Amino acid sequence: AQSVTQPDIHITVSEGASLELRCNYSYGATPYLFWYVQSPGQGLQLLLKYFSGDTLVQGIKGFEAEFKRSQSSFNLRKPSVHWSDAAEYFCAVGAAGGGADGLTFGKGTHLIIQP
Amino acid sequence: DSGVTQTPKHLITATGQRVTLRCSPRSGDLSVYWYQQSLDQGLQFLIQYYNGEERAKGNILERFSAQQFPDLHSELNLSSLELGDSALYFCASTLAGTYQETQYFGPGTRLLVL
Repeated sequence: AQSVTQPDIHITVSEGASLELRCNYSYGATPYLFWYVQSPGQGLQLLLKYFSGDTLVQGIKGFEAEFKRSQSSFNLRKPSVHWSDAAEYFCAVGAAGGGADGLTFGKGTHLIIQP
Repeated sequence: DSGVTQTPKHLITATGQRVTLRCSPRSGDLSVYWYQQSLDQGLQFLIQYYNGEERAKGNILERFSAQQFPDLHSELNLSSLELGDSALYFCASTLAGTYQETQYFGPGTRLLVL
């Protein structure tokens, strides 16, 4: 079965600083990879997704992520964070071709922005 | 606003009771997914429906059941509720029910079992 690990439960970053959120996945074949963001009291919103092709994917709100097969990682980055980026971030993996597991989410990383 | 609606927003009930959560997908979407988000388990996939038929099943308890109606709205029924069922329940929708698609999430229903 697939699994996702987000090693950092909390991350604190100063406004204007760069950001990297880590995600490691476990899946036997080529996975579908996603990053979602959840603001307080809100549902999840997709930031970006990777299926194949260019391993560097661009998303909304200035985020990007890089798929590294050799490291089983899909880290999320942003060059300069804004206070509005404070939220919970979830990495997720889906089975290529569907499957009975749905999307498997990591436990999330809570991003705190310091002024 | 994702276009997915969920009612009610909040629900407080007692152990042993039964509740029904409702989800209306985005206009045109045929597939609905249900997820449970709790502090200890995180976000877990429960079940997926496509055009009225169950398509995939995740970590859904036997006390829980769901269905999707001809108008494509879906209901998640939780029975014999336990304290541990307190969680945020999300539904999401997509057009064709494949994992390549972006899942659009509703705002969730927060369930508190006392």
